Amino acid sequence: DTEVTQTPKHLVMGMTNKKSLKCEQHMGHRAMYWYKQKAKKPPELMFVYSYEKLSINESVPSRFSPECPNSSLLNLHLHALQPEDSALYLCASSPGLTGELFFGEGSRLTVL
Amino acid sequence: GIQVEQSPPDLILQEGANSTLRCNFSDSVNNLQWFHQNPWGQLINLFYIPSGTKQNGRLSATTVATERYSLLYISSSQTTDSGVYFCAVGASNSNSGYALNFGKGTSLLVTP
Repeated sequence: DTEVTQTPKHLVMGMTNKKSLKCEQHMGHRAMYWYKQKAKKPPELMFVYSYEKLSINESVPSRFSPECPNSSLLNLHLHALQPEDSALYLCASSPGLTGELFFGEGSRLTVL
Repeated sequence: GIQVEQSPPDLILQEGANSTLRCNFSDSVNNLQWFHQNPWGQLINLFYIPSGTKQNGRLSATTVATERYSLLYISSSQTTDSGVYFCAVGASNSNSGYALNFGKGTSLLVTP
């Protein structure tokens, strides 16, 4: 079962709200990723976790806060977002830092 | 980081036609994947192909790592093939570790 599950599928939030995006995989993968995709653009890397430790932060603003509680779960905590942060947020996992990446269906975020 | 260029940017085909999508990259890679992004935003894995040739039904792909390019062949296209095709590469010597960097994609429309 090559499945990465993301919740919620859609999220609308105000600029003062605090919300979280969740990602789960049960493939035994040890690397997990957050990507951000704006309309008609390719996905852009935000964070990489390897063995539950943050290994890459692509200069993402602090209003995005990742968390990896265990090897199967990855969260993205959102606070004080701006309307320009509205995008599709994609989670992915891979067996390690090499190997095939598998993506979830994404969480479509709208910031009002 | 590694530069990824895809061509053509847009392609319109009549159902039943064949096509070739190209991906050029600027440095050695240890990961190359082709994805199809459907209208709902999900990235569907087509091929994990850092080198060599693979086939899956009407689709096939070839990566010539020494010449830094990959090709995706679509034969007997169907309307369900419409969407955006992304090439993504990763390399251990990149600033982003092993995470994938995406090209800008080829937007394919197959008409009946």
